[in-house]
Formats: sequence, C-alpha cells, structure tokens
Amino acid sequence: DAKTTQPNSMESNEEEPVHLPCNHSTISGTDYIHWYRQLPSQGPEYVIHGLTSNVNNRMASLAIAEDRKSSTLILHRATLRDAAVYYCILPTGNQFYFGTGTSLTVIP
Amino acid sequence: EPEVTQTPSHQVTQMGQEVILRCVPISNHLYFYWYRQILGQKVEFLVSFYNNEISEKSEIFDDQFSVERPDGSNFTLKIRSTKLEDSAMYFCASSEFGSGQGPQHFGDGTRLSIL
Repeated sequence: DAKTTQPNSMESNEEEPVHLPCNHSTISGTDYIHWYRQLPSQGPEYVIHGLTSNVNNRMASLAIAEDRKSSTLILHRATLRDAAVYYCILPTGNQFYFGTGTSLTVIP
Repeated sequence: EPEVTQTPSHQVTQMGQEVILRCVPISNHLYFYWYRQILGQKVEFLVSFYNNEISEKSEIFDDQFSVERPDGSNFTLKIRSTKLEDSAMYFCASSEFGSGQGPQHFGDGTRLSIL
C-alpha cells in the first residue's frame, strides 16, 4: 500500500519551474525516496532518488525536508515532453508501489 | 545508454493458452522484476527475482505465473493458462541494487491481449 500522498493533478506553463510535492509522514530511517514518471503508452521512467540529502541530476532536482516527511521534485524548466504522471515511491523491500501519482499538464 | 528490452511488443493469445513474455535486463544488473498495468489502472508489482530465485511476490502472482532466467541474458514471465483478466501491459525492470537503494529501469512493456 502507498506510503506517500501526492496531489492528483497539477498544471504548469511551459518553460516555468514545476514543484511536485509528496508527503511521506511514516517514512523510516532507511527508506529511500524515489520519483518515476510515466508518459502515455510508455513504461515507468526513473527520474531521481535520494535518502537524506538533496539530489540533482540532468532531469530534475529532489528536495528532501529535514525531517524527511516530505519531498519535492523540481523540474527546472517544464517542456511539453514533461507532461506525464509523476510517482513518488518509498520502496518496500524490492517492491515499488505505484499509486495514482500526480498528472502534470504543461501549458504551451 | 543501456536499456531493458521486452519482446514481443504485443501478444494476442486465446484464453487458456500459455504465454511467455521475454525480457533482456541491463547486463550488469542483478535484480529483476515484473509489473503489470491493466488499462487505465495503476502499475502493480508482480514479482522480484535475485540470485536465481524469487525474492518477493504479490498476491497477483499465483500458481499460474512463473519466472525464469533461462540463460545469462533473458528473464521470462510465463502465464500457464491465460484468463481474460490477464489482459494488461506487462513491464519488466532490472536494477543493480535491491531494497530501493538504486533505481529500477523499466522496459517499454508487452501488451498482452487475451481473447
């Protein structure tokens, strides 16, 4: 079952930054925080993951709250290709539970 | 960049028939997974596989399902006697590390249609 809570949908203007929030108030000290996205008719795509510190890669940044009970995925400049469902996941063992995620709409 | 590849992209099978879905994980990965997504629904975990044995499985993964790593490169999902409700996208994934310590990389899926 989901250990995370995300808004059902969000909108962003093209070329603007997007902040996608995730609450995980029951996180344990060893839980990694993962973000994936799924474009229409494609498999889930890895975006970023972290444990305690903020993380950056070529796709996005992950900001983790100091108490680790929430995190934010940051897309620095949204493009039309970023329109997807974004999933925040705390793995249980080797299982990734994909909830309903946040459906991101990018407005040209 | 290395990818997980799945074949076929679309499989159509008569109900009651056996079907084998194939996956080639990323070559240096040690952990392998199958997920499924029924049209319009969530991605659901089926099974994880490590060191030539199942490490975890969900309630969905009943006796009709089996997985195998028949050689050093392939990872297969077999459904013994397909049912209409097995119609779904099936995604294979692999990872270098387990327990969420590293990302799972997914293939583009096989669309299984049961008639």
